[in-house]
Amino acid sequence: KNQVEQSPQSLIILEGKNCTLQCNYTVSPFSNLRWYKQDTGRGPVSLTIMTFSENTKSNGRYTATLDADTKQSSLHITASQLSDSASYICVVSAVDTGRRALTFGSGTRLQVQP
Amino acid sequence: NAGVTQTPKFQVLKTGQSMTLQCAQDMNHNSMYWYRQDPGMGLRLIYYSASEGTTDKGEVPNGYNVSRLNKREFSLRLESAAPSQTSVYFCATRYNEQFFGPGTRLTVL
Repeated sequence: KNQVEQSPQSLIILEGKNCTLQCNYTVSPFSNLRWYKQDTGRGPVSLTIMTFSENTKSNGRYTATLDADTKQSSLHITASQLSDSASYICVVSAVDTGRRALTFGSGTRLQVQP
Repeated sequence: NAGVTQTPKFQVLKTGQSMTLQCAQDMNHNSMYWYRQDPGMGLRLIYYSASEGTTDKGEVPNGYNVSRLNKREFSLRLESAAPSQTSVYFCATRYNEQFFGPGTRLTVL
C-alpha cells in the first residue's frame, strides 16, 4: 500500500530560525513529489514539485530535497517568518494517470513565534 | 481569475439531512476532484472526474454522490448526512499540479 509519513507532526520555532520537515514515502512506481503549504482555514497551495532526477529545488526561503534511493524528502525553511505558520503537506504521485495516483501525508503543523 | 471556488464555506446539518456542496473552476482544467480532510489524516479522495460527463469513485465514496454538470462545475451531494461525515471538504482541479479551493467545513450533529 502506498504511504507517506511526515515528521514531526508539529513544530514550534522562533521567528528567524531555520527548520527542516521530513517526508518518507513508500509510493511505487514513483513519479514526483510535491510540498504544499496550507494556511489555517484555506486550501493547500503548491510550494515545489520534484521529479525522480531532481534532488534539490528552491522556492524563495523554501528548499526541498529528494533522495529517491532512500525514498525521503525534506523541506528546509530558512529565516522563518510569522507567515510561515501553517501546515506543510508532502504529496507523492505514482506513475499512473488515474485518480488514485496521489498519496497525501498528514502534514506537519509549523508554528512560528515572535 | 477566481481559480477554484466552493460554496458554502460553513454548514451545520442534522443527521439524516441532505445537502449539496458546490464547486466551480475558471481554469479550464478537465480533471476535478473532491477530497475530505480529517484531523491527523492526509486528504482522502472521495470522487474524481476526468472530464465533463465522467465520474469515478475514489478512496472513500460511500455516502456521497457527485455530478459533473459541465466543464466548470463539480458538485458533491450527501443524501443522508451522518456524524462520520463531519469534515472539511476540498474541491480541486489538476493540470500538472493540483489547485485547491478554500474548503467547506461541514458539521453533522
